[in-house]
Formats: sequence, structure tokens, C-alpha cells
Amino acid sequence: EPEVTQTPSHQVTQMGQEVILRCVPISNHLYFYWYRQILGQKVEFLVSFYNNEISEKSEIFDDQFSVERPDGSNFTLKIRSTKLEDSAMYFCASSRPGYEKLFFGSGTQLSVL
Amino acid sequence: GDSVTQMEGPVTLSEEAFLTINCTYTATGYPSLFWYVQYPGEGLQLLLKATKADDKGSNKGFEATYRKETTSFHLEKGSVQVSDSAVYFCALSDSGGGADGLTFGKGTHLIIQP
Repeated sequence: EPEVTQTPSHQVTQMGQEVILRCVPISNHLYFYWYRQILGQKVEFLVSFYNNEISEKSEIFDDQFSVERPDGSNFTLKIRSTKLEDSAMYFCASSRPGYEKLFFGSGTQLSVL
Repeated sequence: GDSVTQMEGPVTLSEEAFLTINCTYTATGYPSLFWYVQYPGEGLQLLLKATKADDKGSNKGFEATYRKETTSFHLEKGSVQVSDSAVYFCALSDSGGGADGLTFGKGTHLIIQP
């Protein structure tokens, strides 16, 4: 079965630094998502992306966050100036239009020191 | 707003025991309901889903029935195996396949002992 691929699996950064988390969605999917899970808390929706623009975003997704599909295969999440509270597991997902099944990557564990 | 509440873990059972993981939800309209599973070191995978009241989703021996009257979608399995050890997430979608994404519960860590 095709997979969503995320890199790196672990990322450690200093507070205030920029990080880019990378995802390769399944090739014929058109909806892309980012979720995060802070340790011990719920999996939270951050943003969805369709047709090269943001479709929906949550309150968490503030001006420090941005998403991009730079080359037709990758889907990236950028955090401009990381804070300690950004430490979490970040999941990328993709789906086909009209299908509610999301395919998730295995996540990037981000640790902000 | 939408929310999903599921029982806290970890849940520890012996092999071949009966499993129930409770899940209740609040939502506007008529959401679709899902159970996702996350095995160690892997991403979330769809386990089963139900899209309307009284539907039963089933897969790999797991079942869950969409109960609109009790706003519940409890996960059950008659006889668990060690390989079922994982984190289980209940989720809902209001978007009917659109871009709104899923609302997840907190996850329930299931540990099956041989």
C-alpha cells in the first residue's frame, strides 16, 4: 500500500530557530494536512491544503506557521521561530477528494530546547 | 465545537480477553466516526469507520457501532492478541470528505500481555 513519508523522524532545535518539517504525500492525493500531538495530549488539527492554498486552519496555526508545496511532490511545514511549547509529534496526512480516509505518515518528533 | 472523549489509558489486558474502549462525541450535524490505530513507530492507520447512525464498522475482528442516541462509538473486540497492542484514537469528521480534517480523541494505549 502506498505510504506518506515524513522526514526527519526526529528534529532537535534551539528556541527561536526556524524548522522545516518535510512530507511526501501519496502521489494521487490532492488534500494534505498537518496535525500535531503534544506528549500526553490529543492529536490536534493544524492545517489542510488543497489546490496550492490553505483550505482550513486551526487557532494553533498562527503567523509562526506556514505550509508549502514547493515542487509538486513535497509538502512542508515551517515554524518560523520555535518556542518550547512547539515540542510535539507532527503528523502529515493526505487524502483523495471525497474520501474521508486520511493516510498518515509516521510523524516527526520535534524537540525545542 | 466538535470534540471526542475516549477512556484514559493505559488499558492492560491478557491475551484472549474481551476489549471495550469507550468513545463519545459532540458535534453539530451528522458526523462520520472513525477509529485509527497507531502501532509502535508507525503512523496512524484507519481501523474502521461508520458514516451514519446504526452503521457498524468492522475490521480485523474489531467492531464499533454508531449510536446517535448516546453519541457513542465504542470499540470492541471479542478476543485480543498481543499484536493488538497499540494506541487507539477515536475521531470524527464533519466535512463529508472535504478539507476540514478530523477531530481526534486523546488516544487510548492498549497493552496486551501474553
